[in-house]
Amino acid sequence: GQNIDQPTEMTATEGAIVQINCTYQTSGFNGLFWYQQHAGEAPTFLSYNVLDGLEEKGRFSSFLSRSKGYSYLLLKELQMKDSASYLCAFMDSNYQLIWGAGTKLIIKP
Amino acid sequence: IAGITQAPTSQILAAGRRMTLRCTQDMRHNAMYWYRQDLGLGLRLIHYSNTAGTTGKGEVPDGYSVSRANTDDFPLTLASAVPSQTSVYFCASSESHSGGSPLHFGNGTRLTVT
Repeated sequence: GQNIDQPTEMTATEGAIVQINCTYQTSGFNGLFWYQQHAGEAPTFLSYNVLDGLEEKGRFSSFLSRSKGYSYLLLKELQMKDSASYLCAFMDSNYQLIWGAGTKLIIKP
Repeated sequence: IAGITQAPTSQILAAGRRMTLRCTQDMRHNAMYWYRQDLGLGLRLIHYSNTAGTTGKGEVPDGYSVSRANTDDFPLTLASAVPSQTSVYFCASSESHSGGSPLHFGNGTRLTVT
């Protein structure tokens, strides 16, 4: 079967670093996406990983290990505007996205 | 500004009524999708279209239908609404249904079925 899991909620301090983990199980894999979703808004694309390793985009980085079925999103120099839900999703062998329930990140001053 | 437009933004609908949620994109993307988002659950795919003229069923298609007569429009119809269809509905598009093409989402339709 297929499944994906990420923590429900995390809290971090402004200016700090936070790592949001995502684990998945699937027999076919065509990449993993991270999206950001502010409350009441649409998800917006953050990153895509299909090969193992770290992809860096400014304050945000995403890591993938295909052998471990594991990804993380790393957010540095946290700002209050980073308070949002972060959704991970993997693309299966049929090119359909399987979504996690999202991690709500709360940033405290 | 290029993007996806959904209408209406929100709607309260009596059970048993028919309703069409509209979705239009101006990015000339081939693939389009309808998702529903419910508290505590991941986005769930209702129907999709890999290219104009074709559609497919997603994870939760029952009670919904779609059409893709042209590249830009992908309406979602609830033939006879039920309370369990209360949800936030997102339309999305991508250049291609395969590979790393990211999804672009509309702002959503918040539907309440009473």
